[in-house]
Amino acid sequence: EPEVTQTPSHQVTQMGQEVILRCVPISNHLYFYWYRQILGQKVEFLVSFYNNEISEKSEIFDDQFSVERPDGSNFTLKIRSTKLEDSAMYFCASREQGVGEQYFGPGTRLTVT
Amino acid sequence: AQSVTQLDSQVPVFEEAPVELRCNYSSSVSVYLFWYVQYPNQGLQLLLKYLSGSTLVKGINGFEAEFNKSQTSFHLRKPSVHISDTAEYFCAVIRSGGYNKLIFGAGTRLAVHP
Repeated sequence: EPEVTQTPSHQVTQMGQEVILRCVPISNHLYFYWYRQILGQKVEFLVSFYNNEISEKSEIFDDQFSVERPDGSNFTLKIRSTKLEDSAMYFCASREQGVGEQYFGPGTRLTVT
Repeated sequence: AQSVTQLDSQVPVFEEAPVELRCNYSSSVSVYLFWYVQYPNQGLQLLLKYLSGSTLVKGINGFEAEFNKSQTSFHLRKPSVHISDTAEYFCAVIRSGGYNKLIFGAGTRLAVHP
């Protein structure tokens, strides 16, 4: 069964460093998402991406964040200068055209020290 | 804007007992409703969804949920739980139409005891 994959599973970085979180969505899916979950809190929407552009972003997704689909398979989230409060689990999700569920990857745990 | 309230942060229950996890939502537009489960150290897995049609929806692992529009609720039920059902359960809504970001509730931790 096709699944969303994410790498790395755990990333430790120092404050101020850039990180790139990688996702490989399901191959025939057209809509892509990033969510995050700070420890002990709810899952929060960051950004959605369709047709090679951002379709919606939350107030969390400020200028320090960017997304890219550099080729036909990868979908990345970049944080330019990480802060302590960026420590969280980051989930990638994708869905196909039309009404359908979002399929989530296993997440990347980002720890900023 | 949409919001989701899960009234119980934790629900302890004994194995083979029935369980109900409560979810209420608020929205001025039509929504679709979902329940996701998160097992320890894993991602989110869809349990079931309500898009339209019958208000009683059945999902995986013996779970079901009933959409109640008048009470704006979508409670999750299972008649007999197993130890393996111990996990975090998230209710979520999507505004019908558009690019459909999921709005999640805070989650309910179901702890099944022997």
